[in-house]
Amino acid sequence: QVTLKESGPGILQPSQTLSLTCSFSGFSLSTSGICVSWIRQPSGKGLEWLATICWEDSKGYNPSLKNRLTISKDTSNNQAFLKITSVDTADTAIYYCARTTEGILYYFDYWGQGVMVTVSS
Amino acid sequence: DIQMTQSPASLSASLGETVTIECRASEDIYSNLAWYQQKPGNSPQLLIYDANSLADGVPSRFSGSGSGTQYSLKINSLQSEDVASYFCQQYNNYPYTFGAGTKLELK
Repeated sequence: QVTLKESGPGILQPSQTLSLTCSFSGFSLSTSGICVSWIRQPSGKGLEWLATICWEDSKGYNPSLKNRLTISKDTSNNQAFLKITSVDTADTAIYYCARTTEGILYYFDYWGQGVMVTVSS
Repeated sequence: DIQMTQSPASLSASLGETVTIECRASEDIYSNLAWYQQKPGNSPQLLIYDANSLADGVPSRFSGSGSGTQYSLKINSLQSEDVASYFCQQYNNYPYTFGAGTKLELK
């Protein structure tokens, strides 16, 4: 059974660095074709893809935020991570991690439940 | 970036009715399109991939079609559990992009 679960700080202040963890089970990020992505959704709004990391350590970033994003993984512990630097109120959103199975350009077949992140002074 | 224009933004329909949601890409995405359903308070769930393939466990009243830049999601015989928001997503090119969503309500 494939599951993903996001965790994060809940609330942080402007200019801080947001660190998110995606813990998953039912698959491995060392398996050929497997990638994990981060997607966010401000309250009541649409979805924005942020970053992807794949089994062979290739990475992709949304150019609109690329300078602020770092994605990484810990294969042995079945986790993927995302850091966003210099956050501001526009980064307030639900953050999801999701899986793809056929490499870096594919659909998301499983999503986590999401974690709410609020940026506020 | 490929822009995904989804319509309508909201839709009100009666039980048993057939509804159609459209998604237009700013360039050819070669059927690399997925549809997701998001119920209030939940994460998105995959409905359709490769424009017209039904994801595992999705009821057959859902169907997808289209090619090139024009795609659609059809729901036959609308059920109460179909009340949700629906999003299209292209995965033909980086960055992945999503439509703005369609909120489906019961009339």
